[in-house]
Amino acid sequence: QVQLVESGGGVVQPGRSLRLSCAASGFTFSSYGMHWVRQAPGKGLEWVALIWYDGSNKYYEDSVKGRFTISRDNSKNMLYLQMNSLRTEDTAVYYCARRAPRTYAVDVWGQGTTVTVSS
Amino acid sequence: QSVLTQPPSVSAAPGQQVAISCSGSGSNIGINYVSWYQQLPGTAPKLLIYEDNKRPSGIPDRFSGSKSGTSATLGITGLQTGDEADYYCGTWDSGLSAEMFGGGTRLTVL
Repeated sequence: QVQLVESGGGVVQPGRSLRLSCAASGFTFSSYGMHWVRQAPGKGLEWVALIWYDGSNKYYEDSVKGRFTISRDNSKNMLYLQMNSLRTEDTAVYYCARRAPRTYAVDVWGQGTTVTVSS
Repeated sequence: QSVLTQPPSVSAAPGQQVAISCSGSGSNIGINYVSWYQQLPGTAPKLLIYEDNKRPSGIPDRFSGSKSGTSATLGITGLQTGDEADYYCGTWDSGLSAEMFGGGTRLTVL
């Protein structure tokens, strides 16, 4: 079945780095754009980044531009989020999610991985 | 503050119906499809409506979507206690080149 499994979350000090991974299975990963979406404790959904199916285009939410990098390895069916210069406000559950072609709906979501930025 | 505006909360009795609004602009809802997501407590979001008014396989027809101009609406009929969740609208903003989510609406089934 279609599945997205995130990993790499944890507790990290402000200013440090963390890399999240997302393993995709059950579909042709190289045919889909992929998002990272986060949710701070008790808050709503916040889009973080999008990468096109072939990695040729990347888009970022303003507060993470220059600090976060989205990437993918289609040969391994993997999505990544490199997070540098982490801030306390980056504390959230991070979801990996699939972007449906044409309709652009976020049609498949992972279970999320928790990132806590704290000294 | 979200680009897409939703009411923070709505409530209704079991068996009744509710409508959740999502207001945007000409660069997002006005020109792109709207999706709706349901997030049950402690779980990941799930796609409920896509392409403004279509339901993925497995979503009951109690859930419906509509759009007019720069606003969209999620309708839920025959409310059940299991429908208690947070509901989010979402769409692409072509001006900002960013995916947008509404602030979310908490549904309480009294």
